[in-house]
Amino acid sequence: QKEVEQNSGPLSVPEGAIASLNCTYSDRGSQSFFWYRQYSGKSPELIMFIYSNGDKEDGRFTAQLNKASQYVSLLIRDSQPSDSATYLCAGEDNQGGKLIFGQGTELSVKP
Amino acid sequence: EAQVTQNPRYLITVTGKKLTVTCSQNMNHEYMSWYRQDPGLGLRQIYYSMNVEVTDKGDVPEGYKVSRKEKRNFPLILESPSPNQTSLYFCASGGGWETQYFGPGTRLLVL
Repeated sequence: QKEVEQNSGPLSVPEGAIASLNCTYSDRGSQSFFWYRQYSGKSPELIMFIYSNGDKEDGRFTAQLNKASQYVSLLIRDSQPSDSATYLCAGEDNQGGKLIFGQGTELSVKP
Repeated sequence: EAQVTQNPRYLITVTGKKLTVTCSQNMNHEYMSWYRQDPGLGLRQIYYSMNVEVTDKGDVPEGYKVSRKEKRNFPLILESPSPNQTSLYFCASGGGWETQYFGPGTRLLVL
């Protein structure tokens, strides 16, 4: 069974700090990875995707991918209370057509 | 407005009573998918469709059926619901993984 693993949290950080969310995956053939944000009672929304080893930055968000270690992370700089949500990591099944999600990490940003 | 709609949003039913959850998208997306979300288990894919008349099983297809007779619609059918199908269901559509949008969710309780 191909898996994506995340710490469920909750992860609590003070406002203005860097939040670091981590994810590991078992399918060495996976090429594409995605971070979704899900506010309580809402549907997931895509915030970042990454295909290549290294870092990808978009505003306050940085996604990092290390295929050798099968590790994906999301850094949120200058965390805001509005960033409080559950963050879902997902990897594309290398057979195509399927996304495999982790359990999600709950982030709480304290004012 | 680009959107994925699901109906009903909330449903309480009894074991064995057939039900259909509808999903419709107005973005002309080829790809559509159904997920269920359960506490501690994250999002798990039920079925997906790469195009009209093409459907395939996700990770948890047992007890569910789908059909894709036209591009915009992808209904989820529970022929004989059981209590273990009590869950939050999301439909999603996308032109690629970078543009996957989720519907608002359907909360199902099977008694």
